[in-house]
Amino acid sequence: EPEVTQTPSHQVTQMGQEVILRCVPISNHLYFYWYRQILGQKVEFLVSFYNNEISEKSEIFDDQFSVERPDGSNFTLKIRSTKLEDSAMYFCASLKDSRVNEKLFFGSGTQLSVL
Amino acid sequence: RKEVEQDPGPFNVPEGATVAFNCTYSNSASQSFFWYRQDCRKEPKLLMSVYSSGNEDGRFTAQLNRASQYISLLIRDSKLSDSATFDCGGGGADGLTFGKGTHLIIQP
Repeated sequence: EPEVTQTPSHQVTQMGQEVILRCVPISNHLYFYWYRQILGQKVEFLVSFYNNEISEKSEIFDDQFSVERPDGSNFTLKIRSTKLEDSAMYFCASLKDSRVNEKLFFGSGTQLSVL
Repeated sequence: RKEVEQDPGPFNVPEGATVAFNCTYSNSASQSFFWYRQDCRKEPKLLMSVYSSGNEDGRFTAQLNRASQYISLLIRDSKLSDSATFDCGGGGADGLTFGKGTHLIIQP
């Protein structure tokens, strides 16, 4: 079965550093997402991306965050200047199309630890 | 972005029992609803879609009630391997909103 793949699986960084989390969505999917999950809390929506632009973003996705699909296969999340509270599991997800009940598939996540 | 509410539990249930969870959503424009299963520190994995007509897959039955804005999940003959967190999610192509997850522990 096709998978969403994410790298790295773990990322440790110092506060104030930039990080880039990488994802390869399923190849024929059109919609891409980033979610995060702080330990013990719910899966939170960050941003959705379609047709090479952001279609929706949450209040969490502030100016420190950006997304990019640089080459038609990778989908990246950049955090410009990490804070301690950015420590979380970050999940990439993709959706084939916008039909009702089309299923959202998640990658296995990148655990980001900000020290 | 509207909210999805779930009872976080934990639900402690003996093996073989039937257990049911509900989840309510506030965004009446949400088109698609799902139950996901999440094991500790892993990604959500799709368990099943939720339809107004009901959806059954083996021991699992899901139901959507649009008038009352809630979705339900029923697990029959629970197994030890059902121990996990069950996340309900609703939304559309702009993304799903998830509840906090319901933690289920099946006891031998």
